[in-house]
Amino acid sequence: AQRVTQPEKLLSVFKGAPVELKCNYSYSGSPELFWYVQYSRQRLQLLLRHISRESIKGFTADLNKGETSFHLKKPFAQEEDSAMYYCALSILTGGGNKLTFGTGTQLKVEL
Amino acid sequence: NAGVMQNPRHLVRRRGQEARLRCSPVKGHSHVYWYRQLPEEGLKFMVYLQKENIIDESGMPKERFSAEFPKEGPSILRIQQVVRGDSAAYFCASSPRGAQNIQYFGAGTRLSVL
Repeated sequence: AQRVTQPEKLLSVFKGAPVELKCNYSYSGSPELFWYVQYSRQRLQLLLRHISRESIKGFTADLNKGETSFHLKKPFAQEEDSAMYYCALSILTGGGNKLTFGTGTQLKVEL
Repeated sequence: NAGVMQNPRHLVRRRGQEARLRCSPVKGHSHVYWYRQLPEEGLKFMVYLQKENIIDESGMPKERFSAEFPKEGPSILRIQQVVRGDSAAYFCASSPRGAQNIQYFGAGTRLSVL
């Protein structure tokens, strides 16, 4: 069965420091991975997808199939990055995609 | 475009009562997903629906839970005879045809069972 693991419940960094939020997955098929973010009092929203290979708000994530990882990185943390971050794996099902989420990492950026 | 709308935001029920959670997808979206988040856990897939059809209900508990997405109106997640273990946040997401792997989430309904 598929699984997504985010080992850190809380990650606290200082403003300007590098950030790395860890995500590992297990899936026998070809994975499609996402990072979702939930800011305080807001709904869950898509941050980025591995297929796009894009940088959003300074964040990047590279899929490493050898290590089955999809870590989220940012070189310099900003205060507004404080939020809950969820890594998710997409599984095809009947024409749609169901998401398997990790338990999330709370990122706290301190001044 | 108001996005995915869920109501109510908070729902309190006593054990044995019924809970009805509503989800209006983004206008034009034909795919709806329901997820449940228990305390200290990630969101867990429950059911995937298209208009008038349940496509995948592999994450739904076998008893007391049902879902529908009628031709007209919102998607409904119904929990009969609620128990304390049903207390959770329930999230709905929708996606458009042709881009099913991008899901837009509602703000969730927090169900508390007394």
